[in-house]
Amino acid sequence: KAGVTQTPRYLIKTRGQQVTLSCSPISGHRSVSWYQQTPGQGLQFLFEYFSETQRNKGNFPGRFSGRQFSNSRSEMNVSTLELGDSALYLCASSFGLQMVYEQYFGPGTRLTVT
Amino acid sequence: AQSVTQLGSHVSVSEGALVLLRCNYSSSVPPYLFWYVQYPNQGLQLLLKYTSAATLVKGINGFEAEFKKSETSFHLTKPSAHMSDAAEYFCAVSDQINNDMRFGAGTRLTVKP
Repeated sequence: KAGVTQTPRYLIKTRGQQVTLSCSPISGHRSVSWYQQTPGQGLQFLFEYFSETQRNKGNFPGRFSGRQFSNSRSEMNVSTLELGDSALYLCASSFGLQMVYEQYFGPGTRLTVT
Repeated sequence: AQSVTQLGSHVSVSEGALVLLRCNYSSSVPPYLFWYVQYPNQGLQLLLKYTSAATLVKGINGFEAEFKKSETSFHLTKPSAHMSDAAEYFCAVSDQINNDMRFGAGTRLTVKP
């Protein structure tokens, strides 16, 4: 079974731009969660989507948004990029809601904002 | 809201020695607790999880953790460290009410030959 894939793996953007990251979950998984990992703040939960609906959201500004498609693939978008948005963005998929079912993580997208 | 504290950002052990990584949690409702491992340039991999069944949880790669409600702890142990255990380890908490995953700051484990 193919694992969670994230594209692109590396991205460089400038302040003020917007970016879209993509995540393809494991086949059959309906839940996709997104996390931001930085040296200063560690791992922080962004949001979880299940069956195309956002089920819960972490404490991030509205510039961070996401969506899930009918095939469970998910995208997250960050608008008006700030230097502090530089991070590793991890996507995880699970069969059901994250707290009950095991999450499988992708390798991440490393975003650098200059 | 729930939270997690991992004691010790770096732990160093000799190969063959006991591994003990500490995690304390705060939660107003019965928690779900997790340990994840992250190798360089990779995503996280679940080692084990506690979801209110047995308090001693066995995971992959010889790791186990014990849920102690009285101490609000969920420490991770392995009797004998291998060089391949060198990685960063994260403790996380979630629950049925808040349903969002909170991670600790991580503990980097170094294994000396």
